[in-house]
Amino acid sequence: EAGVAQSPRYKIIEKRQSVAFWCNPISGHATLYWYQQILGQGPKLLIQFQNNGVVDDSQLPKDRFSAERLKGVDSTLKIQPAKLEDSAVYLCASSLVSYTEAFFGQGTRLTVV
Amino acid sequence: DQQVKQNSPSLSVQEGRISILNCDYTNSMFDYFLWYKKYPAEGPTFLISISSIKDKNEDGRFTVFLNKSAKHLSLHIVPSQPGDSAVYFCAASGRTGGTSYGKLTFGQGTILTVHP
Repeated sequence: EAGVAQSPRYKIIEKRQSVAFWCNPISGHATLYWYQQILGQGPKLLIQFQNNGVVDDSQLPKDRFSAERLKGVDSTLKIQPAKLEDSAVYLCASSLVSYTEAFFGQGTRLTVV
Repeated sequence: DQQVKQNSPSLSVQEGRISILNCDYTNSMFDYFLWYKKYPAEGPTFLISISSIKDKNEDGRFTVFLNKSAKHLSLHIVPSQPGDSAVYFCAASGRTGGTSYGKLTFGQGTILTVHP
């Protein structure tokens, strides 16, 4: 069974530029999550989708971050404009339903300079 | 507000001995707890979980204990192996509703090093 796929693996951008990350969850998984992991901290949930609807985006900085999950499968996370403090690993995860264990992708390491 | 805390940033253990990783939580709505292991440059990998209706769950060398009254859980690895060296994250979720439903809240992680 294929795992959660994310791209790109690494990205370096200048502050005020925009960036987008892509995630393909495990087939059949209804729930998709985007987490932000800053160095030395645990992952922090940014947004949770159930199929193509948003369940929780309470910690998403909506003035600069946006996410969508078209057709309830793939998802993209966008940052525009980026700030230095956005430097982190962005992890996508999926689960069969919202209360079972989540499976994570390898993450995208973003560096904002 | 750190709802899930792992107070030990690191733990060093000899191969063959027991590793005990600890985790505390504050939100009484949490009723499902998980441990994840993370190697460098990889995403977290699910290890073991426990529901609040249990106080212990075993899977091979890994056992998770839950003390609901103390809002504390621990992960025991016996015997520890060098390949267990990784960052371990405790996570909690609510299955029965409320703002914590389905959402994983993670601790800060504990770096485990198992020496040969």
